[in-house]
Amino acid sequence: DSGVTQTPKHLITATGQRVTLRCSPRSGDLSVYWYQQSLDQGLQFLIQYYNGEERAKGNILERFSAQQFPDLHSELNLSSLELGDSALYFCASSVDTGLRGIQYFGAGTRLSVL
Amino acid sequence: AQTVTQSQPEMSVQEAETVTLSCTYDTSESNYYLFWYKQPPSRQMILVIRQEAYKQQNATENRFSVNFQKAAKSFSLKISDSQLGDTAMYFCAFISTSGTYKYIFGTGTRLKVLA
Repeated sequence: DSGVTQTPKHLITATGQRVTLRCSPRSGDLSVYWYQQSLDQGLQFLIQYYNGEERAKGNILERFSAQQFPDLHSELNLSSLELGDSALYFCASSVDTGLRGIQYFGAGTRLSVL
Repeated sequence: AQTVTQSQPEMSVQEAETVTLSCTYDTSESNYYLFWYKQPPSRQMILVIRQEAYKQQNATENRFSVNFQKAAKSFSLKISDSQLGDTAMYFCAFISTSGTYKYIFGTGTRLKVLA
């Protein structure tokens, strides 16, 4: 168990809808990272938050947004969903301020867009 | 643009033998980090080993070691005394530290350890 909790484990929704994925980092970790793993795109880094502030941005679509709350949990919002958004979404946390630190991954949320 | 290439989609190795997974990358930056991640059938990503580009010494973590050739832009992973639990997808990743925050993954190598 990595100590990173992601909910829900599975999500099934329809095109055009909006969903929210939630991540609780390990105790003491201030950084949260979001990743997408799909058959088409492989593994992609989406975005990082550190102590509530956006720190680094990767290949995140404009339809996607994230935030980190004062209690350090983070949410990834996906809107106007398309079939191609079906993927496994991972959250990771770290004590590091950047990308180079050791990250601990959650079990992922599997999103299916029908 | 940075790229990461894992040229071996699938590999297999006998239990207790040694196997090497290859990874090459392309970058014009001089400071960066390289990672190997393991993704077992449970799908959870696990960091295997990390290498800082400015360090010449190859990183080692128990049975896992890397051969980092900076000039050749090569970062291979050697697994010694392979165990059934090593069966997984292995991803190589490049992270820039120049402030551009590039984080690029390879396409992965599926490793199967045979009993």
